[in-house]
Amino acid sequence: GENVEQHPSTLSVQEGDSAVIKCTYSDSASNYFPWYKQELGKRPQLIIDIRSNVGEKKDQRIAVTLNKTAKHFSLHITETQPEDSAVYFCAASSSNTGTASKLTFGTGTRLQVTL
Amino acid sequence: EPEVTQTPSHQVTQMGQEVILRCVPISNHLYFYWYRQILGQKVEFLVSFYNNEISEKSEIFDDQFSVERPDGSNFTLKIRSTKLEDSAMYFCASSGAKLAGTYNEQFFGPGTRLTVL
Repeated sequence: GENVEQHPSTLSVQEGDSAVIKCTYSDSASNYFPWYKQELGKRPQLIIDIRSNVGEKKDQRIAVTLNKTAKHFSLHITETQPEDSAVYFCAASSSNTGTASKLTFGTGTRLQVTL
Repeated sequence: EPEVTQTPSHQVTQMGQEVILRCVPISNHLYFYWYRQILGQKVEFLVSFYNNEISEKSEIFDDQFSVERPDGSNFTLKIRSTKLEDSAMYFCASSGAKLAGTYNEQFFGPGTRLTVL
C-alpha cells in the first residue's frame, strides 16, 4: 500500500520568512496530493491540493510542487504569519472513477512562526 | 458553506462497551470516510463507503467496527466492544460526485474524541 513520508517533523521560522515542508510517496498510482492544516483540537482543513497532471499550483502565499518522477511533493508558504502556526499534513490518494479514494497521510509538520 | 457535522464531540466509555459515533456528511456528497487520529499522531484511514457498501477498509477496521448509513443523511461508526487503544479522535469525511479524470477533495468533520477507560 501507499506510504507517505513527511519532513521535517517540526519547523520554526520567523515571521515573514518562508517555510518548506516536503513529502515523498511510494505508490506510483497516486494521483491526488492534498495538504491539510490542523490547528490544535480542530479538524484538518484543506489548504491546497495538486493533481498528477500538474507540476505546480499557487494560491496567494501558498504553493505546492509535484515531481512525479521522484515521487516528491512540497508545500511552500511565503511571508509567514503567526496565524500560519499549526500542524500541516500532506496526503496522497489514487482516485479511480466510481470508487471512494482513501487518503494516506504523512506524519505531520508542526510549524511555529515566531515574532 | 456546507460542513460535515459529527456528534457527540466527546464520548467517554468503559472498556467493553459499545459506542456509536454519528456523522452528517455534506448533503450532495456520495463518498464517505472514517479516519482516526491518536493524540499527537497522524490521521489514519479506517473505512470508505459508497453506494451503501464498504469500498475499502484498513487493517484497523476489524470485526469490532461497523459502518452504516441508516437513512439519507446520517453515517455512523459503531465499535462493538471498545478497547483502551480505541481512544482517539475519530473524523468523518465526505467527498462529492466524481467524474472521470477529476478528483474531489475530502471535507472533514470536527471529530469525536473517544476516551475509553
